[in-house]
Amino acid sequence: QVQLQESGPGLVKPSQTLSLTCTVSGGSISSDDYYWSWIRQPPGRGLEWIGYIHYSGGTYYNPSLKSRFTISVDTSKNQFSLRLSSVTAADTAVFYCASAVGLMGYFRHWGQGTLVTVSS
Amino acid sequence: EIVMTQSPATLSVSPGERATLSCRASQSISSNLAWYQQKPGQAPRLLIYGASSRATGIPARFSGSGSGTEFTLTISSLQSEDFAVYYCQQYNNWPETFGQGTKLEIK
Repeated sequence: QVQLQESGPGLVKPSQTLSLTCTVSGGSISSDDYYWSWIRQPPGRGLEWIGYIHYSGGTYYNPSLKSRFTISVDTSKNQFSLRLSSVTAADTAVFYCASAVGLMGYFRHWGQGTLVTVSS
Repeated sequence: EIVMTQSPATLSVSPGERATLSCRASQSISSNLAWYQQKPGQAPRLLIYGASSRATGIPARFSGSGSGTEFTLTISSLQSEDFAVYYCQQYNNWPETFGQGTKLEIK
């Protein structure tokens, strides 16, 4: 059973860059079955898909979001990562990593989520 | 971007009764719709994909139906553990989008 676990700082200062990592266990990140995804949820609000990456390196981002997001993959560590630059308080959210079944797919496995607060 | 609209925002139902949750897409998404359950402090859990296929380990009391723009999640006999927020998600068009959620609460 594939499991995902997010890691990263819980507090980031405004204008800084947020960096999160998702570690995949119970399966290989180099699977053709999945696109590895990031989704965020502001406190008390709904879910928003940020983007995903294939192990080959292909990345896809939500065009509705400003291009401050970067997703990368490290197959040697079975991890993928998210960077968000120039954060503001509006970026405060729980960030989830998840596995999407194929390109443009549903999200089968989810990490537990990590709350990131942007505050000075 | 396809807008997913869920109704009602809150649904109050007694344990043992049936719950029917609705999700509408702003344009046709064929059957490319998933449903998720989210409990407080937890990640969403996949319930239904392809509009009507249950994910692994999901009880048979959960069923999904619909195609095109109108979809329904039915929980046939509510158990205490079913009270949560439910989200629909379309994966037919770029970008993938979620509904705003329906909170299912105990009546």
